[in-house]
Amino acid sequence: EDKVVQSPLSLVVHEGDTVTLNCSYEVTNFRSLLWYKQEKKAPTFLFMLTSSGIEKKSGRLSSILDKKELFSILNITATQTGDSAVYLCAVTQGGSEKLVFGKGTKLTVNP
Amino acid sequence: DVKVTQSSRYLVKRTGEKVFLECVQDMDHENMFWYRQDPGLGLRLIYFSYDVKMKEKGDIPEGYSVSREKKERFSLILESASTNQTSMYLCASSLVPDTQYFGPGTRLTVL
Repeated sequence: EDKVVQSPLSLVVHEGDTVTLNCSYEVTNFRSLLWYKQEKKAPTFLFMLTSSGIEKKSGRLSSILDKKELFSILNITATQTGDSAVYLCAVTQGGSEKLVFGKGTKLTVNP
Repeated sequence: DVKVTQSSRYLVKRTGEKVFLECVQDMDHENMFWYRQDPGLGLRLIYFSYDVKMKEKGDIPEGYSVSREKKERFSLILESASTNQTSMYLCASSLVPDTQYFGPGTRLTVL
């Protein structure tokens, strides 16, 4: 059965901390891995990763994929209260229009 | 900018009522999706459609049906709402699987 597992499920940190969110997957015919950020409404797209070892970066957020070990990490440096959200990881598969989602990591950044 | 809109942000219905949730996208996307999101369970796919009048069951289709008469509109129908269908419902659309755009969500409460 295809699955995507995120850890931790929830995390509480203080502003300024650096956090690492994990996403491991076991799917057939892997194509890409996606990270989304969800505040109180629609998930918004962060990154798409298709190749191992190539870091994607956007401001204080970065992500990398390891296709050999079947996982990805999302790093957030110098966290701010605005980073508080649920971070979703999803995987796409060749020949399918569907995404396989993990359960999400709820990040709370306290001032 | 892609826009996915959902007919209601909040909805309260009674057990046994027929409920329609509507989703409209303005980017001529082939694929549209309905998910429900529950704490601790993440996003789960209910149904998706890859063309007008075409539909496929997702992971949890029981108790739901869908309709796609026009390309831009995808409706989720609860034939007889039950309390266990209280949830956040998210619609998404995509041209390619790696880029799904989400609507703002409808928080449905069934009393």
